[in-house]
Amino acid sequence: QQPVQSPQAVILREGEDAVINCSSSKALYSVHWYRQKHGEAPVFLMILLKGGEQKGHDKISASFNEKKQQSSLYLTASQLSYSGTYFCGTDSGNTGKLIFGQGTTLQVKP
Amino acid sequence: DADVTQTPRNRITKTGKRIMLECSQTKGHDRMYWYRQDPGLGLRLIYYSFDVKDINKGEISDGYSVSRQAQAKFSLSLESAIPNQTALYFCATSARPGTSSKINEQFFGPGTRLTVL
Repeated sequence: QQPVQSPQAVILREGEDAVINCSSSKALYSVHWYRQKHGEAPVFLMILLKGGEQKGHDKISASFNEKKQQSSLYLTASQLSYSGTYFCGTDSGNTGKLIFGQGTTLQVKP
Repeated sequence: DADVTQTPRNRITKTGKRIMLECSQTKGHDRMYWYRQDPGLGLRLIYYSFDVKDINKGEISDGYSVSRQAQAKFSLSLESAIPNQTALYFCATSARPGTSSKINEQFFGPGTRLTVL
């Protein structure tokens, strides 16, 4: 089953913060986050492995709670360049195969 | 030059026609994937291949077939296209675990926009 992302869409002003959640009904080995800008291919942001680790990518960070089978992506002091659709991809057993969520569209306005 | 290329980039075809989408990569990756993207549904895995002799069905393989002609080439075929196969199709690659790349980081091609009338 696809992981569920929330919210489906969010609109921010530059400098505001946002959180995107990804929830799975299955136990997870890893969670990947990708961003897709309009008209472009998805691009890898980060991967989180089970163990509850947190990672960062510039002002974008993420956490992974394996017990709750959830991951959250935190965008701090958002910039116009953060606009796009964010996807989480989950791997239940280090299979190398990802199941992606439906995506969260983020729009950052000046 | 792009590391993952897809041809064609756009294609319009008619119901019942056979069509092939091609993917090539110069990254030297063993693993290749085909996804389709539909609005509101995200990316759904059609087929994946972890090496030339390994082909696996994904979430939505019905109506599709694939061929891994070489390490660098992975083709997706629609034997008899139907309108609900209208979508944006992406090919992706990743390195085998244990190599220098991040674990299972996937690199996507630019996509093929397919319209079935």
